[in-house]
Amino acid sequence: GESVGLHLPTLSVQEGDNSIINCAYSNSASDYFIWYKQESGKGPQFIIDIRSNMDKRQGQRVTVLLNKTVKHLSLQIAATQPGDSAVYFCAENITPGRRALTFGSGTRLQVQP
Amino acid sequence: DARVTQTPRHKVTEMGQEVTMRCQPILGHNTVFWYRQTMMQGLELLAYFRNRAPLDDSGMPKDRFSAEMPDATLATLKIQPSEPRDSAVYFCASGLSISPRQGGYGYTFGSGTRLTVV
Repeated sequence: GESVGLHLPTLSVQEGDNSIINCAYSNSASDYFIWYKQESGKGPQFIIDIRSNMDKRQGQRVTVLLNKTVKHLSLQIAATQPGDSAVYFCAENITPGRRALTFGSGTRLQVQP
Repeated sequence: DARVTQTPRHKVTEMGQEVTMRCQPILGHNTVFWYRQTMMQGLELLAYFRNRAPLDDSGMPKDRFSAEMPDATLATLKIQPSEPRDSAVYFCASGLSISPRQGGYGYTFGSGTRLTVV
């Protein structure tokens, strides 16, 4: 797509499988994290968020896990569907109070039918 | 379905020309961001406004970029003069700036302006 890089890490899964996308964030002081999904030719779309005082949050078919010890964030998608194919970004609020998000480099998810 | 509207969707211009990109945030949102996305740098924050006041524009090249919010329904990003290295997709996002304890602030992005400077 027009808005994503050629050298993004890519996760390829079969339709119906579960997907896990990982992200290492940069700042131990970050207080808020969001996962965004970006389809070709579109802007990033909010999926799910989590505050730093939580370690897990569930949505519809998605779960975000936060491990502050190792500064790691993951997005789990259950029963992956072809419509889940996109680039996924994690974003963090590096400066509490500033509320401007810093984005990771993204992971491309390819769902094979 | 509330959305952030960006115009134009595509812009091709010659080096040295002025470029103006526009954004209509979602009604009621008090925070507006400009991001730039390139293959090499990913999504970079250029500037952001809260209640129409610029809070941070440290990500913008000051000599050629300017961002304004003349009113609550319009945000603009101008490049003068434009250069080929400015070619990118420029996104506007809006949201409510509330504490994460109050529920978070997953900002809504527009569809972007794809700028090509030749």
